[in-house]
Amino acid sequence: GAVVSQHPSWVICKSGTSVKIECRSLDFQATTMFWYRQFPKQSLMLMATSNEGSKATYEQGVEKDKFLINHASLTLSTLTVTSAHPEDSSFYICSARVGWYQETQYFGPGTRLLVL
Amino acid sequence: AQTVTQSQPEMSVQEAETVTLSCTYDTSESDYYLFWYKQPPSRQMILVIRQEAYKQQNATENRFSVNFQKAAKSFSLKISDSQLGDAAMYFCAYRSAEKLTFGTGTRLTIIP
Repeated sequence: GAVVSQHPSWVICKSGTSVKIECRSLDFQATTMFWYRQFPKQSLMLMATSNEGSKATYEQGVEKDKFLINHASLTLSTLTVTSAHPEDSSFYICSARVGWYQETQYFGPGTRLLVL
Repeated sequence: AQTVTQSQPEMSVQEAETVTLSCTYDTSESDYYLFWYKQPPSRQMILVIRQEAYKQQNATENRFSVNFQKAAKSFSLKISDSQLGDAAMYFCAYRSAEKLTFGTGTRLTIIP
C-alpha cells in the first residue's frame, strides 16, 4: 500500500530558530502534497497544498513567510517553520496524493513540534 | 464553504457490539467524496472507508459500513463486532476538488 513518511517524528527547538520537516512518499509519486496542523484534541486544519514544481497554495490565515513549503520532487515535500515561537508548537501532518482529486490521500505519521 | 459536523464528541461500545458514528455535511456540489479516517493513539491517520457521491450503493469494508443519505447530507459509519483495536478518534471528511475538510471527530472507546 501507499506509504508516506515524515521526519523527524519529534522535534524540540528554541524560540527563534527554524525547523524543517520532511514528508516523503515512499512507494508512489505524489503529484500533490498537503500540510495539516492539529492542536491537542482538535481536528486537522489544512495549512497549504503543494504541487510538484509549483508554489504552494496557502489557506487563509496561514502565514506563507512563516511556514515555507517546498515540493521539489514527486516524492519529497518540506515544511520549514521559520523563527519558531511557542505558539507554533503543534502536531504537523503531511498527506500525499497521486493524480486527480478522485484519488485517496495517504497520511504521514505526523511530527510533533515543541518550541521552548 | 463546505462544513462537516460530527455531533458525537465521544462514544463507547461494548466489545463485539455494533456502534454507529454520525456525520452530516453541507455542500452545494453534486460531485464529491466522503471519507472516514481513524486516528489511533499513535496519531497516524488511517483511511477506514470512502464513498463516492455519485454511487447510490453504500460502501462496505469488512466490519465497517456506511449509511450514505445524499439528500439528507448524512454519512454515518457503522462498526460491527467492535474490537479493542477499533478504539480511536474517528474523523469524517469531505472532499470536492482539492481540499479535504474534516469534522471535529468522535472519540470511540471500546469497553472490554
